[in-house]
Amino acid sequence: DIVMTQSPATLSVSPGERATLSCRASQDITSNLAWYQQKPGQAPRLLIYGATSRATGIPARFSGSGSGTEFTLTINSLQSEDFAVFYCEQYNSWPLTFGGGTKVEIK
Amino acid sequence: EVQLLESGGGLVQPGGSLRLSCAASGFTFRSYGMNWVRQAPGKGLEWVSFISGSGATSYYADSVLGRFTISRDTSKNTLYLQMNSLRAEDTATYFCAKLAANLADYFDSWGQGTLVTVSS
Repeated sequence: DIVMTQSPATLSVSPGERATLSCRASQDITSNLAWYQQKPGQAPRLLIYGATSRATGIPARFSGSGSGTEFTLTINSLQSEDFAVFYCEQYNSWPLTFGGGTKVEIK
Repeated sequence: EVQLLESGGGLVQPGGSLRLSCAASGFTFRSYGMNWVRQAPGKGLEWVSFISGSGATSYYADSVLGRFTISRDTSKNTLYLQMNSLRAEDTATYFCAKLAANLADYFDSWGQGTLVTVSS
């Protein structure tokens, strides 16, 4: 199975600042990576697919980069509604696997 | 608008069984692969099972293989998860999730989840 490792586990950021989240795959997954945002008590929401493509309705302040084994989610100018837990998911091969998550909290 | 509504969760004793349902609407159900993804309290996401649009292909996580069975009823636009021999570690919120497209195995729509608690 492909192991997905996210870092850091918790990121403290002030509103208006930039957040940079990392996701590493244990083997090459090309660009088969998605990012999700989950707020307390809610289902996850798709943000990014194909490592770099924003899902429908996702603001431009969210961007994804990377390929192979190293990926980054960047959130520019954090808004109050952005504070949440973020997960990466690889869909290069079964079983589909998620990273452990990064919690972005208000500093 | 895509809607996914799970039901069937609850409290069950270890070794017991439960069947979850997910009623789908707003898209052509038979055309999309569907999944169950779970989340233990305070923990991360874990993929559980997949079924193809036709129902001919299914996959399972090792942790549930042989105990859980995924199925779908196209006439009712409903996805199911039959869970047998339940264990304490199966306690989680179970989400149904729709795949975005063929050969695009990421989840573009999720239900709100149904909580399964396995405890004596």
